[in-house]
Amino acid sequence: GIQVEQSPPDLILQEGANSTLRCNFSDSVNNLQWFHQNPWGQLINLFYIPSGTKQNGRLSATTVATERYSLLYISSSQTTDSGVYFCAVWSQKLVFGQGTRLTINP
Amino acid sequence: KAGVTQTPRYLIKTRGQQVTLSCSPISGHRSVSWYQQTPGQGLQFLFEYFSETQRNKGNFPGRFSGRQFSNSRSEMNVSTLELGDSALYLCASTIIPGTSVLSSYNEQFFGPGTRLTVL
Repeated sequence: GIQVEQSPPDLILQEGANSTLRCNFSDSVNNLQWFHQNPWGQLINLFYIPSGTKQNGRLSATTVATERYSLLYISSSQTTDSGVYFCAVWSQKLVFGQGTRLTINP
Repeated sequence: KAGVTQTPRYLIKTRGQQVTLSCSPISGHRSVSWYQQTPGQGLQFLFEYFSETQRNKGNFPGRFSGRQFSNSRSEMNVSTLELGDSALYLCASTIIPGTSVLSSYNEQFFGPGTRLTVL
């Protein structure tokens, strides 16, 4: 089955810093989503981005489907950005990466 | 529009018992999927229901089962609970998963989860 790998597994930054999270997938996909898991466990939708680039405030994402990777950019990080970020691709089900745990220190 | 709801939010059971979890999708969504999240295994797919039919099933034992009702609400049941079933159970809804025509039909939305503890 399709494999999804995220890097880095952990990222610790100071407030105000920028960050880039990467998601590699092993096969072509027509559905890729980025989620932020809040402290209570709910997965919050960030982007639906099977290809191209999207921006939402301080967050943006780019998927290069032909090269099988996606990037999530967070600019001017805030402590509320802390948490685990997952990418997931659709292959008859959502297949998740292991996540990147982001910690933003004040 | 209300989001995906799951009940109960927290549950404590003992080994050998059974449990039923409920998920109500976003209005108009016809597909419900269930996922299990544990620290060791991450997020794993349990099953997906669409129009009251199970369309896909993950690699879980037969103790895990589910169903979907005509109003698209879904339940999952775990019988003969084991300690390893302690997990966060998440459900997701979408209009029609797997189609490539319209992204709005594919995007999955998750509920807040049910945290199950088996003692």
